[in-house]
Amino acid sequence: QKEVEQDPGPLSVPEGAIVSLNCTYSNSAFQYFMWYRQYSRKGPELLMYTYSSGNKEDGRFTAQVDKSSKYISLFIRDSQPSDSATYLCAMIKNEKLTFGTGTRLTIIP
Amino acid sequence: KAGVTQTPRYLIKTRGQQVTLSCSPISGHRSVSWYQQTPGQGLQFLFEYFSETQRNKGNFPGRFSGRQFSNSRSEMNVSTLELGDSALYLCASSLVSGAGSEKLFFGSGTQLSVL
Repeated sequence: QKEVEQDPGPLSVPEGAIVSLNCTYSNSAFQYFMWYRQYSRKGPELLMYTYSSGNKEDGRFTAQVDKSSKYISLFIRDSQPSDSATYLCAMIKNEKLTFGTGTRLTIIP
Repeated sequence: KAGVTQTPRYLIKTRGQQVTLSCSPISGHRSVSWYQQTPGQGLQFLFEYFSETQRNKGNFPGRFSGRQFSNSRSEMNVSTLELGDSALYLCASSLVSGAGSEKLFFGSGTQLSVL
């Protein structure tokens, strides 16, 4: 079993919808939690970074962490076609970064 | 300021050959990490170099090796290529060592195909 599990999708939603992306993890030693966005033929870029349970908001993006349930989510409000990409969750323990396998998201105009 | 540069962008090799990939970090960044990305396994950590020293290593066989030069540029080598080595190889740079990953910047990767 992988330490970090992420639904691979693909996920298609209409423009303007709220998108929910999720990851679960098995090791409570994970301390820091991130979401990366990766466009086709590009490297991942950091979207959100958090280390505590609760919500963190940045524009249309909200990262949610629930350490008791070992569950993290990324919400995208008012989704745009430019949000179409693969979204990767990532977590750090012992100075090592572990990624989920990524969810491919398509926003339909 | 230029980003992380990886060369070449695409590479086709045959089984048994060896390959060397190159990564130039952002100017001033001293840490370079390498990752392998495949559809089934996602992004997997290969190794990290900081100031020419390997600081951390993932669970890959010894066929995968790397080095870092005094100008922080890094190379990754894979010997005796196998079909399963086909992947996107990503390099990431940061100012400091260790996974303080809010400061991690990725290149666009080298797509390696092994035939």
